[in-house]
Amino acid sequence: EAGVAQSPRYKIIEKRQSVAFWCNPISGHATLYWYQQILGQGPKLLIQFQNNGVVDDSQLPKDRFSAERLKGVDSTLKIQPAKLEDSAVYLCASSFWGGSLDEQYFGPGTRLTVT
Amino acid sequence: AQSVTQLDSQVPVFEEAPVELRCNYSSSVSVYLFWYVQYPNQGLQLLLKYLSGSTLVKGINGFEAEFNKSQTSFHLRKPSVHISDTAEYFCAVSDLNRQGAQKLVFGQGTRLTINP
Repeated sequence: EAGVAQSPRYKIIEKRQSVAFWCNPISGHATLYWYQQILGQGPKLLIQFQNNGVVDDSQLPKDRFSAERLKGVDSTLKIQPAKLEDSAVYLCASSFWGGSLDEQYFGPGTRLTVT
Repeated sequence: AQSVTQLDSQVPVFEEAPVELRCNYSSSVSVYLFWYVQYPNQGLQLLLKYLSGSTLVKGINGFEAEFNKSQTSFHLRKPSVHISDTAEYFCAVSDLNRQGAQKLVFGQGTRLTINP
């Protein structure tokens, strides 16, 4: 079974530039999560999708971050414009249906450096 | 809202020694608890989880954790560590968002370093 795929693995941009990350979840998984992991901290949920609908985006900085999951499969997370404090690893995860008994499977992450 | 505190940011241990990584959570009526491991440049992998039942939970790679409701703790243990256990370990608790859906709240992480 293929795991969660993410690209790119690494990205370096200057502040005020735009960047986009892509995630392909495990086939058949209805729920998709984007987490931000700042160095030295645990992952923080940014947004959760159930199929192509948003379940939770309460911690997403909506003035600069946006995410979509067209057709309920792949997802993209965009930052525009980027700030220095956005430097982090962005992790994508998926689960079968999103319940508490449901394991989340994580991708390898995209490491973003904003200079 | 639930929260998790991992009491040690770094734990150095010699190979074949026992180890305990400590985790405390905020109290709740019911709670689901998890330990994840993150190897360098990789995503998180589930080690074990407590949902209900026996308070001693066994996971992969010889790890186990004990749920202690009175102390609101979920400490991770391994009787004998190996060099390959060097990684970052995260404790997490399941919480409900405003829409009533489950989400994970992670602790700050504990970096386990195994020395030969």
